[in-house]
Amino acid sequence: DVKVTQSSRYLVKRTGEKVFLECVQDMDHENMFWYRQDPGLGLRLIYFSYDVKMKEKGDIPEGYSVSREKKERFSLILESASTNQTSMYLCASQSNRGYGYTFGSGTRLTVV
Amino acid sequence: EDQVTQSPEALRLQEGESSSLNCSYTVSGLRGLFWYRQDPGKGPEFLFTLYSAGEEKEKERLKATLTKKESFLHITAPKPEDSATYLCAVQAWTNAGKSTFGDGTTLTVKP
Repeated sequence: DVKVTQSSRYLVKRTGEKVFLECVQDMDHENMFWYRQDPGLGLRLIYFSYDVKMKEKGDIPEGYSVSREKKERFSLILESASTNQTSMYLCASQSNRGYGYTFGSGTRLTVV
Repeated sequence: EDQVTQSPEALRLQEGESSSLNCSYTVSGLRGLFWYRQDPGKGPEFLFTLYSAGEEKEKERLKATLTKKESFLHITAPKPEDSATYLCAVQAWTNAGKSTFGDGTTLTVKP
């Protein structure tokens, strides 16, 4: 089974801190995605990547950046955390043959 | 712009009471429609992919069907362990790989 591992289940950070969320997949998938999930707003795409060193903005990229230096790792960076970035962050990977996503277990980030 | 609308928002069933969840979509060139199950505090778990109208997929008590405008997730004789939020998502050929998600239906099955 494909595994997508997110480095932390829960994080508490202070306003203004730089925050790194790490995601690693083990099935050589080309495509990787970062979503945030909020009650009443559903899943919203932040950034995605189709290949190493490639990145594309999703629907809500403001305040975030990403890094994909290796195929298996896709990192989400909050440049200066703010309270409105408190959310559940979900990483997903996908083969470019077009099957469904495999999601990680999520990181619940609280910014205080 | 691709859109996905799921109904109802919440559904409460008695154990054994069959029902259906609806996913209505608009997309310019459907590459695939996906169903996921999400338990509280966890990431969504992939259930099915449907590619073309008329296609059906089954897994245990779940059966997914697809028309040109909507998909149904039929739940036959549900059990309490089927309680979860069920998410529907679509991918368009023009947005290869990117999914648009619905807000989900939260299913509660009472024993």
